[in-house]
Amino acid sequence: DSGVTQTPKHLITATGQRVTLRCSPRSGDLSVYWYQQSLDQGLQFLIQYYNGEERAKGNILERFSAQQFPDLHSELNLSSLELGDSALYFCASSLGLAGAISSYNEQFFGPGTRLTVL
Amino acid sequence: DAKTTQPPSMDCAEGRAANLPCNHSTISGNEYVYWYRQIHSQGPQYIIHGLKNNETNEMASLIITEDRKSSTLILPHATLRDTAVYYCIVRSIRKVDGGSQGNLIFGKGTKLSVKP
Repeated sequence: DSGVTQTPKHLITATGQRVTLRCSPRSGDLSVYWYQQSLDQGLQFLIQYYNGEERAKGNILERFSAQQFPDLHSELNLSSLELGDSALYFCASSLGLAGAISSYNEQFFGPGTRLTVL
Repeated sequence: DAKTTQPPSMDCAEGRAANLPCNHSTISGNEYVYWYRQIHSQGPQYIIHGLKNNETNEMASLIITEDRKSSTLILPHATLRDTAVYYCIVRSIRKVDGGSQGNLIFGKGTKLSVKP
């Protein structure tokens, strides 16, 4: 158990719909990352938040958005869903504190949310 | 960030050492080598990382060649539970604004099958 929780575990919805995925980071972790894993694209970074602010963006579609709340949990919103959005969505968290340049704060991944768009 | 090349799959007998290679010939001086693994459909799990010295922890050892163009992850006594996809990632430990560290870029990894 990584200490990162994600809900729901499974989500089945229809094309055109909107869903929200939720992530609670490990206690004390300030950074939250979202990744998408599909069969054809592998694990891809979507977006990162640090202490409530967006820090980095990857291959995130405009139909997708995210936020990190004051209690540090994060939500990933997916709208106008398409069949190709079916994937595993992982959230990860890390301590993310400034410190020695050589220090590394590993990312702890949650169990993922499996999204199926029909 | 430097690209990595890993064999798509490997087999290993249970109880034997698993040696997973990774080529990263374009690695630059400030880039570290990280290893994560993903057991079927679970979230990836951090294993180990290193810069130029060999590293060992309770899970594995990381051997980096002197020119840093390749590395090997060693699982000393593989068990069936080590069956997973192993990802070698090369990335600098850089701090973005506010001190947070950057995201990971995953390749296709090596699917390790540990057989009884």
